[in-house]
Amino acid sequence: DAKTTQPTSMDCAEGRAANLPCNHSTISGNEYVYWYRQIHSQGPQYIIHGLKNNETNEMASLIITEDRKSSTLILPHATLRDTAVYYCIVRVDTNAGKSTFGDGTTLTVKP
Amino acid sequence: GAGVSQSPSNKVTEKGKDVELRCDPISGHTALYWYRQRLGQGLEFLIYFQGNSAPDKSGLPSDRFSAERTGESVSTLTIQRTQQEDSAVYLCASSLDWLANYGYTFGSGTRLTVV
Repeated sequence: DAKTTQPTSMDCAEGRAANLPCNHSTISGNEYVYWYRQIHSQGPQYIIHGLKNNETNEMASLIITEDRKSSTLILPHATLRDTAVYYCIVRVDTNAGKSTFGDGTTLTVKP
Repeated sequence: GAGVSQSPSNKVTEKGKDVELRCDPISGHTALYWYRQRLGQGLEFLIYFQGNSAPDKSGLPSDRFSAERTGESVSTLTIQRTQQEDSAVYLCASSLDWLANYGYTFGSGTRLTVV
């Protein structure tokens, strides 16, 4: 699987949009980009995923660049409950069972 | 069930003892994964089951670790002769299928402490 690079930490003001970047410059054409988050002492929670097109659901939006080498997770109106570690991973069918979760980005939403 | 259930939620064991961790996946999910998360670190892949296929055990750190799954139901992760470095949260996840277009649903984990 392609390796991902994320900033170690980010801050965001409550009510503002949180934009979390992820670099996956070695991604291949059939690899999906996934985002999960882990709130302290809980298991990771699925947020969103995409292949080529931008995606939106009730939790967040995923913007994937045209060359697919990077993506941004957008939380449109961050709340204190969004404080968590956010993981960006890539998955491909041939290796789908071995997704590697790195250290992620610790997002702190401040009042 | 509604989610992935793991038991026990916490386990304290003495060094050298064997422990067994249990995972109940979401009904109908054919793929099941075990991960380990040491304090302050990311998730480390351990093993993966898909239906009745042979499991991918490539992430198991030593032969003290083993896991079983019967069909598409419960899985158990066994750690024999536990060591202090085995202390971690063990997370189980299930997925509708192994294909990359299906996301994981994680359980809350089992926090294992070896003393």
